[in-house]
Amino acid sequence: EPEVTQTPSHQVTQMGQEVILRCVPISNHLYFYWYRQILGQKVEFLVSFYNNEISEKSEIFDDQFSVERPDGSNFTLKIRSTKLEDSAMYFCASRPSQHTGELFFGEGSRLTVL
Amino acid sequence: AQSVTQLDSQVPVFEEAPVELRCNYSSSVSVYLFWYVQYPNQGLQLLLKYLSGSTLVKGINGFEAEFNKSQTSFHLRKPSVHISDTAEYFCAVSGSGGSYGKLTFGQGTILTVHP
Repeated sequence: EPEVTQTPSHQVTQMGQEVILRCVPISNHLYFYWYRQILGQKVEFLVSFYNNEISEKSEIFDDQFSVERPDGSNFTLKIRSTKLEDSAMYFCASRPSQHTGELFFGEGSRLTVL
Repeated sequence: AQSVTQLDSQVPVFEEAPVELRCNYSSSVSVYLFWYVQYPNQGLQLLLKYLSGSTLVKGINGFEAEFNKSQTSFHLRKPSVHISDTAEYFCAVSGSGGSYGKLTFGQGTILTVHP
């Protein structure tokens, strides 16, 4: 069964460092998302991406965050200068072209900022 | 704005007993409703969704949910749980159109099934 894969599964970084989280969505999907879950809190929407541009972003998704689909298969989330409060589980998701298609989530990348 | 409240953070239950996980939502527009399950060290998996039509929705693994518009609820039920149902369950809503896929999640309910 096709699945969304994310790397790394866990990354530890120092405050102020840049981090790139990678996702490989399901191959025929057209809509891509990043969500995050801070420990003990709700899963929160960060950004949606379609047709090579951001379709919607949350208040959390400030100038420190960026997304890219560099090569038609990977979908990356970059945090330019990490803060302690960026520590969270980051989930990538994708869905096919039909309007009400299911979102498929990856297993998540746990980011720990020290 | 939309919000989702899951009324129970933890639900312990014995194997083969029925279970109900409660979810209430608020929204000023029509919504689509979802239940996701997360097993340890795995991603979120869709259990079921309500888009329109029949208010009783059946999903995978024997789960079902009922959309109640007047009570703004979407409670998840299973008549007889198994040990393997132990997981965290998330209720979520999304808008329609361009916002479909932008999910607002509840805080999750940890279901623990005891032998």
